[in-house]
Amino acid sequence: AQSVTQLGSHVSVSEGALVLLRCNYSSSVPPYLFWYVQYPNQGLQLLLKYTSAATLVKGINGFEAEFKKSETSFHLTKPSAHMSDAAEYFCAVTPTGGSQGNLIFGKGTKLSVKP
Amino acid sequence: AAGVIQSPRHLIKEKRETATLKCYPIPRHDTVYWYQQGPGQDPQFLISFYEKMQSDKGSIPDRFSAQQFSDYHSELNMSSLELGDSALYFCASSPGTAVSNEQFFGPGTRLTVL
Repeated sequence: AQSVTQLGSHVSVSEGALVLLRCNYSSSVPPYLFWYVQYPNQGLQLLLKYTSAATLVKGINGFEAEFKKSETSFHLTKPSAHMSDAAEYFCAVTPTGGSQGNLIFGKGTKLSVKP
Repeated sequence: AAGVIQSPRHLIKEKRETATLKCYPIPRHDTVYWYQQGPGQDPQFLISFYEKMQSDKGSIPDRFSAQQFSDYHSELNMSSLELGDSALYFCASSPGTAVSNEQFFGPGTRLTVL
């Protein structure tokens, strides 16, 4: 079955530092991959998605992610963290072999940004 | 822009009671997904509907049922509530079921079972 693994349940960076949130997927074929952000007491908002087009995907709020098939990874990065980036980030994948889009989420990574 | 609406936002129930959660998708979105997010957990897919028909089923307990109506809104009915049902329930909508379509999430309904 499809799954995603997010390394690090909690990541802390200083404001202005690089943000790197790791996501690895398990799949025999390249899946569709997504990064969502969840602010406290809010729903999930899509940051970016990979759908087999360009391997480097740019999203909202300055985030980007690179699909690396050889490493089965889809890590999320941002060059310079802002205080407003503090939130929980979920990597998600859609099941392969099917036509439906229900998402399988990783366990999430909580990002803290220190002033 | 219109977003996904969920009601109620908060719900408190006793064990063995029933609960109904409602979801109003973005206009012209014909697909609705339900997810359950337990405390400190990742969202788990429950069930989805496309054009008023169930399109996929995940880890939804038999005590739960759902449907999508002619106006595309959806309701999740939960019976014989258990303490473990306490969670945040998200509804998401998308224009069609294509795997590449973005799912737009509502703010969630927080269900507390006492």
